[in-house]
Amino acid sequence: AQRVTQPEKLLSVFKGAPVELKCNYSYSGSPELFWYVQYSRQRLQLLLRHISRESIKGFTADLNKGETSFHLKKPFAQEEDSAMYYCALRSGTYKYIFGTGTRLKVLA
Amino acid sequence: EPEVTQTPSHQVTQMGQEVILRCVPISNHLYFYWYRQILGQKVEFLVSFYNNEISEKSEIFDDQFSVERPDGSNFTLKIRSTKLEDSAMYFCASYSGQSSGNTIYFGEGSWLTVV
Repeated sequence: AQRVTQPEKLLSVFKGAPVELKCNYSYSGSPELFWYVQYSRQRLQLLLRHISRESIKGFTADLNKGETSFHLKKPFAQEEDSAMYYCALRSGTYKYIFGTGTRLKVLA
Repeated sequence: EPEVTQTPSHQVTQMGQEVILRCVPISNHLYFYWYRQILGQKVEFLVSFYNNEISEKSEIFDDQFSVERPDGSNFTLKIRSTKLEDSAMYFCASYSGQSSGNTIYFGEGSWLTVV
């Protein structure tokens, strides 16, 4: 079954602390994984896609096929990083499967 | 940067009424989607649309729902007889259809409240 799991509903860290948002997936084919961010009831915005291997706003994510994970990391959290973060798996062309999301709260 | 736009941003409707949510996808995109997010829950796939027909739909997308691309630009979601549990944020999204590595782009959402 195709599934995305984000085990933490809420993650609170202090400003300047490292952040790791966990994502595990289940997919039979070659996965395409993404991280989306949603600030306070705004639109979902693409943060990262694993194919690009880019770093956006200091966030990085590495696809680990052995562990079927795509954890999102940032070495030093900032207050403006507070948001909902969704890991997503692209299932063919037609749909994305989202995890349940992790709310990141960065405390001053 | 081009954006997916949605109207209305918020609609309150009475149970049993019909609702149409409108979306203008990015102009050169070929695939269109509706997703739903009930308050506090995850984003759920409803339906995808390509070449003027539904490509895939989820179990949520029952006979109460329909989608249409009435002209070259709009993409609508109709809920024929709304229920309380239809209250959610509805996101439209579009995708270019080009090679992998691209992604879908979401609109800001239409918040539907059924009372």
